[in-house]
Amino acid sequence: DQQVKQNSPSLSVQEGRISILNCDYTNSMFDYFLWYKKYPAEGPTFLISISSIKDKNEDGRFTVFLNKSAKHLSLHIVPSQPGDSAVYFCAANNDMRFGAGTRLTVKP
Amino acid sequence: GAVVSQHPSWVICKSGTSVKIECRSLDFQATTMFWYRQFPKQSLMLMATSNEGSKATYEQGVEKDKFLINHASLTLSTLTVTSAHPEDSSFYICSARDLGGQYYEQYFGPGTRLTVT
Repeated sequence: DQQVKQNSPSLSVQEGRISILNCDYTNSMFDYFLWYKKYPAEGPTFLISISSIKDKNEDGRFTVFLNKSAKHLSLHIVPSQPGDSAVYFCAANNDMRFGAGTRLTVKP
Repeated sequence: GAVVSQHPSWVICKSGTSVKIECRSLDFQATTMFWYRQFPKQSLMLMATSNEGSKATYEQGVEKDKFLINHASLTLSTLTVTSAHPEDSSFYICSARDLGGQYYEQYFGPGTRLTVT
């Protein structure tokens, strides 16, 4: 049963603008969330994470926000760059089942 | 950072033959490794969890007799696709978790492209 879901299969933004990728979860016991980035024909790479004791974690252009009451997290990329075009997956704790991911396309 | 390798990176085999894919953690130990299969339209499907020294745990719908997993050491897990058929053609990715690293973070291999003709 998928406990972490990404409901937007794709997102297209203009270079320089903000990209917002969303993720919802159902298990209130989750206390650690991760975002991975995947290019075609490659394995995913870790991008950023957040613990449930925080509601925001920032790393350069990437910021993850956590809304525990809504069981929702989002990844903000600003400014977006063409090299950010990839598929993004969110994950939680030791739940190894990824959702469908969101394909981000950043147009020059 | 932690590195996971896969070998081969791509393989072409004939229908009915078996193919072995290796997953190695190069600079850390992993009691648990994971095998994924990427389907068209981007989704990554968890196939099984590979446990060092014990039997793998397969996800529902994954044939354990077809996808044999062996985790012989803390740095090596293998996936063998037995009697491969064209529908097994896919991109297979493994991952591992560093026992001494950031908790819950996975390190992924570069993937193996399997084509069955």
